Amino acid sequence: GAVVSQHPSRVICKSGTSVKIECRSLDFQATTMFWYRQFPKQSLMLMATSNEGSKATYEQGVEKDKFLINHASLTLSTLTVTSAHPEDSSFYICSGELNTEAFFGQGTRLTVV
Amino acid sequence: LAKTTQPISMDSYEGQEVNITCSHNNIATNDYITWYQQFPSQGPRFIIQGYKTKVTNEVASLFIPADRKSSTLSLPRVSLSDTAVYYCLVGDPLYNQGGKLIFGQGTELSVKP
Repeated sequence: GAVVSQHPSRVICKSGTSVKIECRSLDFQATTMFWYRQFPKQSLMLMATSNEGSKATYEQGVEKDKFLINHASLTLSTLTVTSAHPEDSSFYICSGELNTEAFFGQGTRLTVV
Repeated sequence: LAKTTQPISMDSYEGQEVNITCSHNNIATNDYITWYQQFPSQGPRFIIQGYKTKVTNEVASLFIPADRKSSTLSLPRVSLSDTAVYYCLVGDPLYNQGGKLIFGQGTELSVKP
């Protein structure tokens, strides 16, 4: 299957700072990527759809100015958590779509202290 | 997207067959049923997908009755490494939903020695 890689796998940042998470499709081109968030003992929650060359589409309740998404190439989407706060601590997962099938990254554990 | 209902948790022992049933009463004609596996601090991994009757691969089998209002994921002879959360998803993979996935609560399977 196709491979999606996220970086970093875990990050700790101070409250008020911004953090960027990268999602790369290693062996395929992904015009569309998806970002999810998962809190402990909960399911994945879709945050936004990242479209190459255009603006991301955010799910209801997700602040677009806080979670900046950039999809500048067919193999890279980035999620920037701006002015992070402890409540933003979570597991962030991206996925790329290939032939209608989803391939997930390994996730990024964000801890805001 | 059709809503799904699964047991929150299940326990099993090594070597046993495990069957996890998912209810999806509002499944649409074009919807497929897909199961994902997620280990702690990792992204979900595709297990199996089907439309009707039975599908089998090297990992699992998927049984879908004629009315398609439910499905059962069958894991033969589980091992400790099968301990994970299993998600049942229903959607039309040809309608841009192969990547955009709405996850339910999932079933936390615990395999004991």
